[in-house]
Amino acid sequence: QKEVEQNSGPLSVPEGAIASLNCTYSDRGSQSFFWYRQYSGKSPELIMSIYSNGDKEDGRFTAQLNKASQYVSLLIRDSQPSDSATYLCAALQGAQKLVFGQGTRLTINP
Amino acid sequence: SAVISQKPSRDICQRGTSLTIQCQVDSQVTMMFWYRQQPGQSLTLIATANQGSEATYESGFVIDKFPISRPNLTFSTLTVSNMSPEDSSIYLCSVSRTGDSDTQYFGPGTRLTVL
Repeated sequence: QKEVEQNSGPLSVPEGAIASLNCTYSDRGSQSFFWYRQYSGKSPELIMSIYSNGDKEDGRFTAQLNKASQYVSLLIRDSQPSDSATYLCAALQGAQKLVFGQGTRLTINP
Repeated sequence: SAVISQKPSRDICQRGTSLTIQCQVDSQVTMMFWYRQQPGQSLTLIATANQGSEATYESGFVIDKFPISRPNLTFSTLTVSNMSPEDSSIYLCSVSRTGDSDTQYFGPGTRLTVL
């Protein structure tokens, strides 16, 4: 079992709709979780961090964390073509080690 | 977030040679890390670059293959030694800052192709 799992996609969503990205993790000791966006040929860019159960909103992005279910999600409202990218979920293990999922490729169709 | 630069941005190297990648940050940071992203794959942590001491390597990575230096709080190098085509990857440095040590920000990456 991989430590952080994501559906690799591709996930195709029409412009203006809500894109829902999901992630599960195996290490119950992980307390900090992150979503990065990676455009093709570019490095990962931090979108959201979440540490507590529940929802955290930042503009069109909402991160959700459920530690009991070991589940993290990212919702993108009013999806735009510029949101088309690979989204990486990461969990912090121990003090410093970030463990990444394999990423979900998202395509927003105009 | 810190401004992070890497040199070179890309390189094509011959089998058996070595390449040193530099990572420079515009301000003092607490931690610096090196990751590898193989083609079509996600990121894997190679090591944590410790200032003034030996790097801490993850399982599967060894100092002889990936020597790392961090002479000060804003600069680190990763060397990929005795390269083979399997070393063709993107190598990324990341940093975290005092007071926000959980969050890592990535440099632009170095795209390495080994022939």
